[in-house]
Parts: sequence; C-alpha cells; structure tokens
Amino acid sequence: DIQMTQSPSSLSASVGDRVTITCRASQSIGTYLNWYLQKPGKAPKLLIYAASRLQSGVPSRFSGSGSGTDFTLTISSLQPEDFATYFCQQSYSIPLTFGGGAKVEIK
Amino acid sequence: QVQLVQSGAEVKKPGASVKVSCKASGYTFTSYDINWVRQATGQGLEWMGWMNPNNGNTDYAQKFQGRVTITRDTSINTAYMELSSLRSEDTAVYYCARNHGSGSTDFDYWGQGTLVTVSS
Repeated sequence: DIQMTQSPSSLSASVGDRVTITCRASQSIGTYLNWYLQKPGKAPKLLIYAASRLQSGVPSRFSGSGSGTDFTLTISSLQPEDFATYFCQQSYSIPLTFGGGAKVEIK
Repeated sequence: QVQLVQSGAEVKKPGASVKVSCKASGYTFTSYDINWVRQATGQGLEWMGWMNPNNGNTDYAQKFQGRVTITRDTSINTAYMELSSLRSEDTAVYYCARNHGSGSTDFDYWGQGTLVTVSS
C-alpha cells in the first residue's frame, strides 16, 4: 500500500495568512494526488485533483503543486471558512489511501 | 443537482452485519463509479472499495476482503455497502462518494455519512 504522510498535522494561523500543507507519498505517484477539506460533522469536499487542477466552484486562493512523491496545498490568503482539516489522497493505485490530515486552527 | 443520500444511523452487536444504502440523484447513476470510505471518530479516512454501477464490477481493499460487499439496484439508483462480522473497531461514519469522472479516482460528491456503532 502507498503511505501518505502529511505535515504539519496541525497549525495555527490568522485570517489573511498564507498557509502551506505538504503531503509525501511512500513511492512515486506522478500527479495522481487529490486534496480535500473537511469540516466537523461534514463529508469531505474536493478542492484539488490531479495535483494542481482546481475543482469547479473552489476559490482560486487554493492551489496545488508537486509530482512524484512531494506535493503542496497552498491557501494564498486564509479566510474564516477555511478553518478545517485537510486531507490528501493518492489515486495512483489500489488501495486508494489518504494522509492523516492537517488541522488548520485559528490563532 | 447531484446528491447522494445515505440511510440512517445503525447500532449493531459484534458479529452482526450492517447494510448502508446510498441513493443517487441529479445525474446518470450508471455513468460514475461509487466508492465507500469510512472514518472512525477523530481519525482519518479509509477507502473500502468501489463499484461500477453499470456492470456491477467491484474492487475492495485487501483489509476488507471477505467482509465487505458493494452492490447496486439500478432501478432505484441506489448503491449498497454491506459489512459483516462486525467488531468494535468498525464503529465509524461510512460515506459513499462518486468518482469525479471516467477513469478518475478522486471523489467529487459525497453522501452525508452514516454512523455505524458496534456495541454489545
């Protein structure tokens, strides 16, 4: 199975901050990497697919980059509604696997 | 609009089985694969398996092989996930999720989740 490791596991930030979350795969996955946002008690929401493609309806302050084993999700200017947990997911091979999550909290 | 609506919460005893439904609307049910993902309280996401609603083909994570069965009823646009031989570690919220597109394995629409509690 491909292991997905996210860092940091949690961070504190202020509205307007630039936030970066990283995800590392245990083997090369090309650009088969997706990012989700999840709020408490809600289902995850797709933000970025294929490493850098913005899902329809997602604000442009979200961006993704990377290929191979190292990937990054960037929020250019954190908004109040962005405080949530972010998960990466590899879609390169079965079983599909997720990172452990990165919780973004209010400073 | 696309919606996936799941059945309600369940409480089961160890050793029992549970069957969760996921009713799709707003799109052609047979055109997009359906996945099942679970999440224990405060934990991460765990993919269990997927199904092609057009032909019923499935693929399961090795961890759940022999215990999970994903099926569908195309006449009512509904997918099902049945998990047997339940144990306390299976207590979690179970989600159905639709593949983004043909050949893709990212999930663009999710059900609201179904809490399954396994307790004696």
